[in-house]
Amino acid sequence: GNSVTQMEGPVTLSEEAFLTINCTYTATGYPSLFWYVQYPGEGLQLLLKATKADDKGSNKGFEATYRKETTSFHLEKGSVQVSDSAVYFCALSSYNFNKFYFGSGTKLNVKP
Amino acid sequence: NAGVMQNPRHLVRRRGQEARLRCSPMKGHSHVYWYRQLPEEGLKFMVYLQKENIIDESGMPKERFSAEFPKEGPSILRIQQVVRGDSAAYFCASSPAVAGDNEQFFGPGTRLTVL
Repeated sequence: GNSVTQMEGPVTLSEEAFLTINCTYTATGYPSLFWYVQYPGEGLQLLLKATKADDKGSNKGFEATYRKETTSFHLEKGSVQVSDSAVYFCALSSYNFNKFYFGSGTKLNVKP
Repeated sequence: NAGVMQNPRHLVRRRGQEARLRCSPMKGHSHVYWYRQLPEEGLKFMVYLQKENIIDESGMPKERFSAEFPKEGPSILRIQQVVRGDSAAYFCASSPAVAGDNEQFFGPGTRLTVL
């Protein structure tokens, strides 16, 4: 079956620190992988995506590489800002089934 | 191009009442998905609809929950005889008919509180 496991939070960092949020998956077929971000009281916004092995998704300084050999899609950012404080969700979509499977979310708190 | 619209944003119901949640997909999108987010948890898939058809309802509870996406008008998620355990945020997403990269666009959600 399909599932996503991501590291539990909350993660608390100081501004300009390096961020890694781990995400691993199990899937049948060839999934697409996504990171979504959710700010308090809002819906999910797509942060980045990768549709095949070795693709790197990037946006707003965040990046993640689709690693088929380790079934991982870890999110990284070199220097976080207070405005990055949010909940981050890793997700996969199986092309055949056209529905998303989400991880449980990782809350990031960035302190000035 | 307006994004996915959901209303109401907040809904309060007493136990035993009915809740109706509405979702208008992005213009040109004919695929709609409903997800439920319980407090401190991730989103769980409920149902996938195309115009006038339910494609996959494997995530829907067997009783009290139903969904539709009529030819005209928004998609409706209906919860009958609500219970406290139904309190959650319900998110709608949409995608275009040709979803080559499978991206789904999410609405702001409806937060249902059952008293």
